Amino acid sequence: GAVVSQHPSWVICKSGTSVKIECRSLDFQATTMFWYRQFPKQSLMLMATSNEGSKATYEQGVEKDKFLINHASLTLSTLTVTSAHPEDSSFYICSASKTSGYNEQFFGPGTRLTVL
Amino acid sequence: SQKIEQNSEALNIQEGKTATLTCNYTNYSPAYLQWYRQDPGRGPVFLLLIRENEKEKRKERLKVTFDTTLKQSLFHITASQPADSATYLCALAPDLNTPLVFGKGTRLSVIA
Repeated sequence: GAVVSQHPSWVICKSGTSVKIECRSLDFQATTMFWYRQFPKQSLMLMATSNEGSKATYEQGVEKDKFLINHASLTLSTLTVTSAHPEDSSFYICSASKTSGYNEQFFGPGTRLTVL
Repeated sequence: SQKIEQNSEALNIQEGKTATLTCNYTNYSPAYLQWYRQDPGRGPVFLLLIRENEKEKRKERLKVTFDTTLKQSLFHITASQPADSATYLCALAPDLNTPLVFGKGTRLSVIA
């Protein structure tokens, strides 16, 4: 159990457009979902934490108006990169937790975003 | 400043040998530390968690140690196989209510 999926697995878009990435917990209810970004050969960097039905908590330096997070249900969270630019190109990974803590996270397979 | 460092970006070992990966941290007092495996283009997969009051944890061919005096965790894979080739990440959390902080990872290559 504890499977997390992401869709799409990769996306290429033009500069200035918006891209939506979905994260789903397939066999459990996720109290909390997390969004990370990972640049090549770099650490996973937490962008934001979201709880179902409430506003996401963004990490310092992450623009909440640019990276819109919606945690509409206990099994689905979406990340929308608005007005994407080439520097937003990265590997975006979500994770989900069955509890409100951080200690047991199940990661999705990631989404590779390339902005031209 | 707070840092978490995996001191080898890459490690090559012969099949059958024991791989040892190191994770050092500075200016943290983590409640626990985790190790993950990440394959290229994939999300991390949880392997082991070790708490601050535990010195060692084992799972099949994996062993993790945690030395809070040295501020270091060691991750061992015994009888390594080419299928163990991947990037291994350590992550720590000061407590249950603080986000995980990840190291950059060590890319392990097991050569047949």
